Amino acid sequence: DVKVTQSSRYLVKRTGEKVFLECVQDMDHENMFWYRQDPGLGLRLIYFSYDVKMKEKGDIPEGYSVSREKKERFSLILESASTNQTSMYLCASSPDRARGSPLHFGNGTRLTVT
Amino acid sequence: AQKVTQAQTEISVVEKEDVTLDCVYETRDTTYYLFWYKQPPSGELVFLIRRNSFDEQNEISGRYSWNFQKSTSSFNFTITASQVVDSAVYFCALSPMDSNYQLIWGAGTKLIIKP
Repeated sequence: DVKVTQSSRYLVKRTGEKVFLECVQDMDHENMFWYRQDPGLGLRLIYFSYDVKMKEKGDIPEGYSVSREKKERFSLILESASTNQTSMYLCASSPDRARGSPLHFGNGTRLTVT
Repeated sequence: AQKVTQAQTEISVVEKEDVTLDCVYETRDTTYYLFWYKQPPSGELVFLIRRNSFDEQNEISGRYSWNFQKSTSSFNFTITASQVVDSAVYFCALSPMDSNYQLIWGAGTKLIIKP
C-alpha cells in the first residue's frame, strides 16, 4: 500500500513565522502535489512537482513556495504565515505522468495561524 | 469552462436507506477522466473510482454504483443500503486533457448516515 505521510497533523503558528510542511511518500511516485482544503471550496492546488527539483504553480501559489530535493519528499513553505493561510493542507502523490492516475493522499495538516 | 458541480452540500439519511450523490461536470474536451474520492472524518482522501470519457458503462462495486451519462454530463454515485461507516465527505473530480496534471474538484458533499 502506498503511504503518504505528512509530518504534522496539527500545527499552530504565529503571523509572520516561516512554516514548513513536510510530506514523504514511500512508493517512488514521480508526481507530488500540495492542496489546501477550505469548507465550501473543495480542494485547490497550490503547487505540484513531476520530478526532483521540478515544480509548477497550481491555482493558488501566492504566499507559498515548495521544495523537492529528493523524489520521496515534497515540502510546502509559507515564507511569512498569515491568518488567511489557516487551512487544512493535503499532500498527494501519483505514480506516473499519465493523466488519470489516481492520487494517494496523506492525512492532512491542519494549520492555524494566529 | 472546466467545472465540477456537486450541488448537494450535505445529505443526511437513516442507515439502510439508498442515497445518490450528484456530480455534474463541464469540459470542452472529448477525452477526460472522472473520479470519486471519499474523505472520512480521519481526513485522508481515498480514491474510489476512475472513469474515462470513452467508457459509459455503469460500474458496481458492492454497495457502491456509479452512473456515467455523457448526454447529461453527469457522473452520479449511489450507495445502496447505507451504513454509518459511509459517513464522509465525497468529492467528484475531473481531469481534462488540457490541464496537465491538475484535477478540477467539486466542492464536496457531506454525507451523514444516522444509525
